[in-house]
Amino acid sequence: DTEVTQTPKHLVMGMTNKKSLKCEQHMGHRAMYWYKQKAKKPPELMFVYSYEKLSINESVPSRFSPECPNSSLLNLHLHALQPEDSALYLCASSPTRVLRNEQFFGPGTRLTVL
Amino acid sequence: EDKVVQSPLSLVVHEGDTVTLNCSYEVTNFRSLLWYKQEKKAPTFLFMLTSSGIEKKSGRLSSILDKKELFSILNITATQTGDSAVYLCAVGPSRHSGAGSYQLTFGKGTKLSVIP
Repeated sequence: DTEVTQTPKHLVMGMTNKKSLKCEQHMGHRAMYWYKQKAKKPPELMFVYSYEKLSINESVPSRFSPECPNSSLLNLHLHALQPEDSALYLCASSPTRVLRNEQFFGPGTRLTVL
Repeated sequence: EDKVVQSPLSLVVHEGDTVTLNCSYEVTNFRSLLWYKQEKKAPTFLFMLTSSGIEKKSGRLSSILDKKELFSILNITATQTGDSAVYLCAVGPSRHSGAGSYQLTFGKGTKLSVIP
């Protein structure tokens, strides 16, 4: 299995809702990432997990809460989002071997906050 | 601050043309440069370059890195309409983010449009 999967593909939520984005990979990668991408902009890093531990939080507001329950799964819990949080949310994973750190991206979740 | 600059920002060519996309970088702790192709959804990995002067090739696409001059080029020969996409260059790690994970710094991308 050489892909990263994400669910749902699309999500529309109100500002008071609580929802979760899910990401899964079975490539044995021990580094996983959440990115946010706005239209016509490159991906912006949000969080990095290494060996199931949060190693980077790029000053992301607390209304975004990541979770890594095991080495194959990565979740992003959403609560009280704002309309400006509407974006494509990408998950990626990478090997942790030296010189093999290319990141493989999932298809993304297109999030709309009303 | 780490920086990745891609040029041109957009490009329109006819099918069959050859294009060269540029990526220059300034990072504190360079390890690798990556090229991705992004159509309407997630970026698709194309190449990872770590050594100067060694060309990586996949079909009509090729790429090379110059670590002395701090740039890379991505060539696409005999372009097809299916090559239309945003091509992203990323450099990593801008810093080691712990236990083998690496943060990438992305350029803004080159939007390539191939017209029939």
